[in-house]
Amino acid sequence: KAGVTQTPRYLIKTRGQQVTLSCSPISGHRSVSWYQQTPGQGLQFLFEYFSETQRNKGNFPGRFSGRQFSNSRSEMNVSTLELGDSALYLCASSSYVASGGLNTGELFFGEGSRLTVL
Amino acid sequence: AQKITQTQPGMFVQEKEAVTLDCTYDTSDQSYGLFWYKQPSSGEMIFLIYQGSYDEQNATEGRYSLNFQKARKSANLVISASQLGDSAMYFCAMTAKAAGNKLTFGGGTRVLVKP
Repeated sequence: KAGVTQTPRYLIKTRGQQVTLSCSPISGHRSVSWYQQTPGQGLQFLFEYFSETQRNKGNFPGRFSGRQFSNSRSEMNVSTLELGDSALYLCASSSYVASGGLNTGELFFGEGSRLTVL
Repeated sequence: AQKITQTQPGMFVQEKEAVTLDCTYDTSDQSYGLFWYKQPSSGEMIFLIYQGSYDEQNATEGRYSLNFQKARKSANLVISASQLGDSAMYFCAMTAKAAGNKLTFGGGTRVLVKP
């Protein structure tokens, strides 16, 4: 069973540019969530998509956006890049096994996309 | 809102010994889940173990066990018989009923296993 695939693995951009990151979840998983990891802020939740709908959103500016396609693949976009956007962006997929409203399924992470903004 | 605190930024452990990683949490939700993840230098987050708030028994997965003390709001990870490959960052995380799949992470603990 293939794991979560994120592309590209590494990329370098300059301030003001925009970037699109891609995530292919595990086959059959309909939930995809994104996280930003930085040395200063740690791991922070960006957003979650389930069946092409954004179901949850973290506290990030509108420059951060995402979408999910009918095959559950997801993309996130960051516009007008800032130096502080340099981070490891992790994608996680889940089959969303709910027990009394609480997700008890494992979240499987990809290896991440490491973005450097110069 | 949920909060996870990991007070040990880093620790050394001798190969073949057991190690306990501390994790305390705070939430007003009665229904929540606690996770531990391992992150090697490659960056991937590897799921280790899960404990639900209503689970009466502590979770175990191979060499990993979760010491769940609900009244103290702690969910410590115990790794038995440490191996060199256990050297990594370890993150405690939680989700709550109102948060769906949103994970709140602690700051992590870096473990270095010495031969």
